[in-house]
Amino acid sequence: GAGVSQSPRYKVAKRGQDVALRCDPISGHVSLFWYQQALGQGPEFLTYFQNEAQLDKSGLPSDRFFAERPEGSVSTLKIQRTQQEDSAVYLCASSPRTSVKVWGNEQFFGPGTRLTVL
Amino acid sequence: GQQLNQSPQSMFIQEGEDVSMNCTSSSIFNTWLWYKQDPGEGPVLLIALYKAGELTSNGRLTAQFGITRKDSFLNISASIPSDVGIYFCAGFQGAQKLVFGQGTRLTINP
Repeated sequence: GAGVSQSPRYKVAKRGQDVALRCDPISGHVSLFWYQQALGQGPEFLTYFQNEAQLDKSGLPSDRFFAERPEGSVSTLKIQRTQQEDSAVYLCASSPRTSVKVWGNEQFFGPGTRLTVL
Repeated sequence: GQQLNQSPQSMFIQEGEDVSMNCTSSSIFNTWLWYKQDPGEGPVLLIALYKAGELTSNGRLTAQFGITRKDSFLNISASIPSDVGIYFCAGFQGAQKLVFGQGTRLTINP
């Protein structure tokens, strides 16, 4: 079955380069989330979309981070002028509805993009 | 930063043993979730808990939502090799934002 897919799976960037990470959510899922996972840590929330609307971007670490979901399906996380501290796995997740009360509405995670900034 | 504290950080057990891990928070959470993450993959939901005091099972896994709503535990009975991985607790902060613990890494010796 088609789960959440992310590309590229691995990205190496030189400090100062811009990168773009893509997420293809499960078809029909309304909500889309981005998380950052540092080595040895749990995922940390970055931002959340409901359809094309970005409803929460409180977790974005700086204005170098920008996310979009223009047509309410595919999303792109862009990081400008990458720094070494941006090195992490970037996880995307999607869920079918906006309620948290129904089993089956959980956030389904993709495999992540491992970003290494040299 | 993380608001959920998991313990232990790592466990080394023999196949067939039971496992217990827990998660505590200084804040109240209304929903507790337990995820498992395998290397190179995203977390997969194991159990969801919605009510204080709730005890829920999923096969060999059992989890409980603490009465104070500030803690939860996960038990795995009769561990098998495929249980190896990192287990995360998580709670919702607001309607959709998930907050994760730092994880418990489980290693099983055959």
